[in-house]
Amino acid sequence: DADVTQTPRNRITKTGKRIMLECSQTKGHDRMYWYRQDPGLGLRLIYYSFDVKDINKGEISDGYSVSRQAQAKFSLSLESAIPNQTALYFCATSAQSNQPQHFGDGTRLSIL
Amino acid sequence: AQKVTQAQTEISVVEKEDVTLDCVYETRDTTYYLFWYKQPPSGELVFLIRRNSFDEQNEISGRYSWNFQKSTSSFNFTITASQVVDSAVYFCALSETLEGSYIPTFGRGTSLIVHP
Repeated sequence: DADVTQTPRNRITKTGKRIMLECSQTKGHDRMYWYRQDPGLGLRLIYYSFDVKDINKGEISDGYSVSRQAQAKFSLSLESAIPNQTALYFCATSAQSNQPQHFGDGTRLSIL
Repeated sequence: AQKVTQAQTEISVVEKEDVTLDCVYETRDTTYYLFWYKQPPSGELVFLIRRNSFDEQNEISGRYSWNFQKSTSSFNFTITASQVVDSAVYFCALSETLEGSYIPTFGRGTSLIVHP
């Protein structure tokens, strides 16, 4: 089984819909991150969490929210999806922020 | 301004050629960490190497080598005798302190295409 699991793997939805992307990990890491990847723009940080009670905005948090339900779970929500949120989304974990990150396989999200 | 600059958007080589992927970073921290990740066509992101700012030794791992130079703020990645399986997008990342914690920033990636 994967150490970092993202669900769903693919999602197509319509503008205005509420969407939740889920991430769970079995690595026992405190730090969890959500990124989006767009062609030519690399990985951009949306939100990060250093423990269950800690949530921080990243570079591009507008239009997104997160929930850290447990050490192992970190969900990303789009309250009202818009087409420019179409992207590949990655969840990642790390033991410490100066340690390598472990990524899920990604969620490909298309908003029509 | 980008904190991590990968100026080469795409590189195309023929198998067995050597290729160097450039990474230039910007930070005011004296302690920071640099990383390289590989993203093959299947899409997953795979960690390759981490280097801290106090360790300027170059590293070699098989056909891969990394050249860290603080004087030029660069952390370049060389693949010797490239193979088709090296075709991927490669990301350089910098982890520097922000409000007491290290936050990673990624470059935009370099797409390497190795032709048979």
